[in-house]
Amino acid sequence: KNEVEQSPQNLTAQEGEFITINCSYSVGISALHWLQQHPGGGIVSLFMLSSGKKKHGRLIATINIQEKHSSLHITASHPRDSAVYICAVGMEYGNKLVFGAGTILRVKS
Amino acid sequence: GAGVSQSPRYKVAKRGQDVALRCDPISGHVSLFWYQQALGQGPEFLTYFQNEAQLDKSGLPSDRFFAERPEGSVSTLKIQRTQQEDSAVYLCASSLWWTPRETQYFGPGTRLLVL
Repeated sequence: KNEVEQSPQNLTAQEGEFITINCSYSVGISALHWLQQHPGGGIVSLFMLSSGKKKHGRLIATINIQEKHSSLHITASHPRDSAVYICAVGMEYGNKLVFGAGTILRVKS
Repeated sequence: GAGVSQSPRYKVAKRGQDVALRCDPISGHVSLFWYQQALGQGPEFLTYFQNEAQLDKSGLPSDRFFAERPEGSVSTLKIQRTQQEDSAVYLCASSLWWTPRETQYFGPGTRLLVL
């Protein structure tokens, strides 16, 4: 079993829909990161969470430490949101990140 | 300011060749990470530097992989006697400090294809 599991693996949505991507982890963490990766490889950090909720524009990220679960929400989705969204956890000890396999999101107009 | 840069962006190597991949982190960033991303997978940790010290190399797949950061800035990942299973995107990331709760800034990656 992977230490970080994401669901769904693939997601297709219509423009304007509310989108949720889930991440569960099985290890002790110091922080959880949500990343966005566009075709061609560039990875951008969206959020880093250690508790609660963060919002940036149309993106909202939440984390429940007790349940070892995080969600990334996109409101009013747009085709430009199409990308791979990756959940990664910073291990409780040490500095490395452990990544989920990613969720491929396609938003159709 | 400039972000993390990597070179080359693409590399085709014949099996058995040695390759060297370069990472220029954001100036002043203490921490530097190398990750390997196979097609369709999430990145996997290779190694971590704090300044010039390589503090964690637990993710390096074999002794053919070697990384250095001699002056605490630019880093090089070297792969000796490349094999087909080394084909992947190699990502470099840097962060300002050494604490786990730091944003990592990623480079564009080097796409390595071993024939």
